[in-house]
Amino acid sequence: DAGVTQSPTHLIKTRGQQVTLRCSPKSGHDTVSWYQQALGQGPQFIFQYYEEEERQRGNFPDRFSGHQFPNYSSELNVNALLLGDSALYLCASSLEGTSRPLHEQYFGPGTRLTVT
Amino acid sequence: GEDVEQSLFLSVREGDSSVINCTYTDSSSTYLYWYKQEPGAGLQLLTYIFSNMDMKQDQRLTVLLNKKDKHLSLRIADTQTGDSAIYFCADPNSGGYQKVTFGTGTKLQVIP
Repeated sequence: DAGVTQSPTHLIKTRGQQVTLRCSPKSGHDTVSWYQQALGQGPQFIFQYYEEEERQRGNFPDRFSGHQFPNYSSELNVNALLLGDSALYLCASSLEGTSRPLHEQYFGPGTRLTVT
Repeated sequence: GEDVEQSLFLSVREGDSSVINCTYTDSSSTYLYWYKQEPGAGLQLLTYIFSNMDMKQDQRLTVLLNKKDKHLSLRIADTQTGDSAIYFCADPNSGGYQKVTFGTGTKLQVIP
């Protein structure tokens, strides 16, 4: 049983470009949350997707958008990249959205995005 | 808003006990959490404590919760070099983890 997978592992982009990160949830999970972890910081919640809709959002600008597909996989898109977007982007999956406790959420290994 | 604070760095000798501390400003969460992150890796759930408990022990790990002082600690007994990592406490607030706040992390260095 595969856990949460993310691709790519590493990515280097130039300021102003756009990037798409991908996440496949753990088998049986239907909810995907995205986090940004800047260097030396704890993860910060970006948003959560359930039933192909964004349910909750953290304090991130509209440049950050996402999508969830019918197979529950998800994409995180970031437009007009800034140097400050350089971070580890973590995806986490769980079952049934907001009602589940945190310990039923599983994290992927992350995508390291570097913006130059 | 919610604020979760941790000391940035802790250095201990192999075999000693490590104590990592965390304070939070507001919590109505049912659980509070400790995560471990090794270099280049994602987050690994280490342990958690139910909010009506004062202490939870899980093998070498002991979690202490002082709700009055809003203080959470993680004690690692007989610390090993493999315990070297960054440790994050996390407070999901109302229980919906879309609102989870992570601390800034404590880097634990274990000296052989």
